[in-house]
Amino acid sequence: DAGITQSPRHKVTETGTPVTLRCHQTENHRYMYWYRQDPGHGLRLIHYSYGVKDTDKGEVSDGYSVSRSKTEDFLLTLESATSSQTSVYFCAISDWTSGTGYEQYFGPGTRLTVT
Amino acid sequence: DAKTTQPPSMDCAEGRAANLPCNHSTISGNEYVYWYRQIHSQGPQYIIHGLKNNETNEMASLIITEDRKSSTLILPHATLRDTAVYYCIVRVNRDDKIIFGKGTRLHILP
Repeated sequence: DAGITQSPRHKVTETGTPVTLRCHQTENHRYMYWYRQDPGHGLRLIHYSYGVKDTDKGEVSDGYSVSRSKTEDFLLTLESATSSQTSVYFCAISDWTSGTGYEQYFGPGTRLTVT
Repeated sequence: DAKTTQPPSMDCAEGRAANLPCNHSTISGNEYVYWYRQIHSQGPQYIIHGLKNNETNEMASLIITEDRKSSTLILPHATLRDTAVYYCIVRVNRDDKIIFGKGTRLHILP
C-alpha cells in the first residue's frame, strides 16, 4: 500500500466519545486525504491537507477535525462520535509522479463502529 | 458533487474486453480524466489517466472523445480478478479536492 498505514484498523466506540484515527506515510508525499465510505455512497472526501498545518474541508466535514503537524502524519478526530459516523475510513496520499501524474495511493482502511 | 456520470453496474464475460463509459460533459480544458478501481473492501487503486490523447498502460486503455465530454476505459481481456467498482474522476492535474462519484460495479462472468 505504498507506505501508508492506518491505525487502528478496527475500532468500536460508544456514542459521545472522542475518537482519533491516524494515517502515517513513509513516502514524503505532500498531499493527504481522509475519505469515508458507506454503502450506496461511494467514497466521500472529509478533509484534505496540502502541507504541514495546511488543511481544508471536503464534502462531508461536519463533525470531523484534522491536524497535520508533520509531513508523515494526518490525524482525523471525531470530537463526539455519533452512530452516523459508523463507516470505513480511508486515508490517501498523493504527489507528482512522472507517468502517473497526481496518482492517489490509498491506505488499508479503518473500520469504525459507533454504538 | 462528482463531475462525472457512470452507469451503476455492468457485466462482461471473462476473456472479453470490458468497456466502461464515463460522461464528463462539463470538463474544463485543464482537467484530466483519471480512472481508479476498488476491489472488494480494499482502498482504490489507480489505473490510468489522460488529458486528450488516448492512453494505454499494462492495465488498460483510455479512449477520450475529441470533444473530451466522455471517455471509455477498456480492459482488453477481462478476468475474474477485474471484478471491482470503477471510478472515473476529472480533476486539474495538481492536487486539490478530489471527488469520487459512485462508480460502476463491474461483474466479470465466468
